[in-house]
Amino acid sequence: DAGVIQSPRHEVTEMGQEVTLRCKPISGHNSLFWYRQTMMRGLELLIYFNNNVPIDDSGMPEDRFSAKMPNASFSTLKIQPSEPRDSAVYFCASTPGYEQYFGPGTRLTVT
Amino acid sequence: GEDVEQSLFLSVREGDSSVINCTYTDSSSTYLYWYKQEPGAGLQLLTYIFSNMDMKQDQRLTVLLNKKDKHLSLRIADTQTGDSAIYFCAESRGGYNKLIFGAGTRLAVHP
Repeated sequence: DAGVIQSPRHEVTEMGQEVTLRCKPISGHNSLFWYRQTMMRGLELLIYFNNNVPIDDSGMPEDRFSAKMPNASFSTLKIQPSEPRDSAVYFCASTPGYEQYFGPGTRLTVT
Repeated sequence: GEDVEQSLFLSVREGDSSVINCTYTDSSSTYLYWYKQEPGAGLQLLTYIFSNMDMKQDQRLTVLLNKKDKHLSLRIADTQTGDSAIYFCAESRGGYNKLIFGAGTRLAVHP
């Protein structure tokens, strides 16, 4: 298996633009998590899904952030409009139960 | 408190053992994890321990769990330069195994 796939790996955008991050979980995994990593705040859980249904989005920082999982093999995290403080590495992880496997991350820079 | 705590930095000589410590907060955590992150990469699951165990060994890695004190440690035997990375401990919370991460311990291995 290729592991968790994220795209793009790097994204540079201007403040105010819409950003969409993509994730393909490992086939057969029924839960998917989105995290954000920054130097100041470390790793933060943003939202997670189980069987494509959002379970807890209490970590989503603002209404500018939204996430969807239209099917078992695809999820998106959207930021609209983006701000410089959204600059971070965004990770997606999937799990069949209790072992979470992380993707390589998307490094987002908002100027 | 709500935080998983780790010391921020550890320096060891190549060939020595490394011990990375962590304290967690939720006594009902079912699983506790150690992840490794190399520069520019995602988090790699190293090992995990079920809460009813007090020790788990996997090749050069030994995990010790003191549930009474909510203390977790990771010992790396015969530390190599390739072990230089940031090590995160995490506790699971809730039925969907949401992970709460510590701030990470940067391990530096020198000759």
